[in-house]
Amino acid sequence: AQKITQTQPGMFVQEKEAVTLDCTYDTSDQSYGLFWYKQPSSGEMIFLIYQGSYDEQNATEGRYSLNFQKARKSANLVISASQLGDSAMYFCAMGQGKNSGGYQKVTFGTGTKLQVIP
Amino acid sequence: DTGVSQDPRHKITKRGQNVTFRCDPISEHNRLYWYRQTLGQGPEFLTYFQNEAQLEKSRLLSDRFSAERPKGSFSTLEIQRTEQGDSAMYLCASNTPRQGTKSSYNEQFFGPGTRLTVL
Repeated sequence: AQKITQTQPGMFVQEKEAVTLDCTYDTSDQSYGLFWYKQPSSGEMIFLIYQGSYDEQNATEGRYSLNFQKARKSANLVISASQLGDSAMYFCAMGQGKNSGGYQKVTFGTGTKLQVIP
Repeated sequence: DTGVSQDPRHKITKRGQNVTFRCDPISEHNRLYWYRQTLGQGPEFLTYFQNEAQLEKSRLLSDRFSAERPKGSFSTLEIQRTEQGDSAMYLCASNTPRQGTKSSYNEQFFGPGTRLTVL
C-alpha cells in the first residue's frame, strides 16, 4: 500500500529564514511522482512543486526546492527566505499509476502546519 | 474564470438524505479526481476519471457513494443515505497529460470544494 508520512504536525520559522518540511513515503512502484501542495486558511490547494521518481535532479520552483533522496524514500520540501504569506498547511503527496503523463491515484500525507514569525 | 468550479460550495443536510455535488473541470482537462478532506487531515483520494471512464476507485468509496462523468466533461458525486461521518470537504481536481519533465505538467488544479455538513 502507498503511504505518505509527515512527522511534523507544526513548525515555526523566523521570517527570511529557510525551513525544511519532512516527507517520507512508502511504495513498491518503480514509477511514481511526489508533490507538495500548500493550503492556506482560505482552503484552496495550491500546487508548489513536483518530482518524478526517475528525475535525476532535484526539482526547484522559485523559493521552493524538493530534496529527493530515493534510497531513503524521502522528499523534503525546502522553503528559502520564508515570508509571512508562507504560513499555511503543507501537504506532501505521491502519485501512482502513471500513464500518458498523469497519475491515476494520488495519496496525501496528514500535513504540516507552518507558521512564519515576523 | 477558467479554473475548476464546484457546486454547491456548502451543503447542510439531515442524516439519511441524499446529496449530489457537481464539479466542472478546466475545459481542456480530460482527467478528473474527487477527494474528501476532514478537518486537520490531508485530502483522501476517492476516485479518478479519464474522460468518461472511471479508472480508479478507493475503498473509501462505499456503495453509498457514486460518481459519474457521463460526457467526459463535468462530474457528479452522489452520496446516498448520508451519515454524520460523511461531513467533510469534498474536493475536485483536474489535469491533462503532458509529456516532459517540467514540474507544472503534473499539477492537479483543485476546485474550491463543497463543504458538507450532515446533521
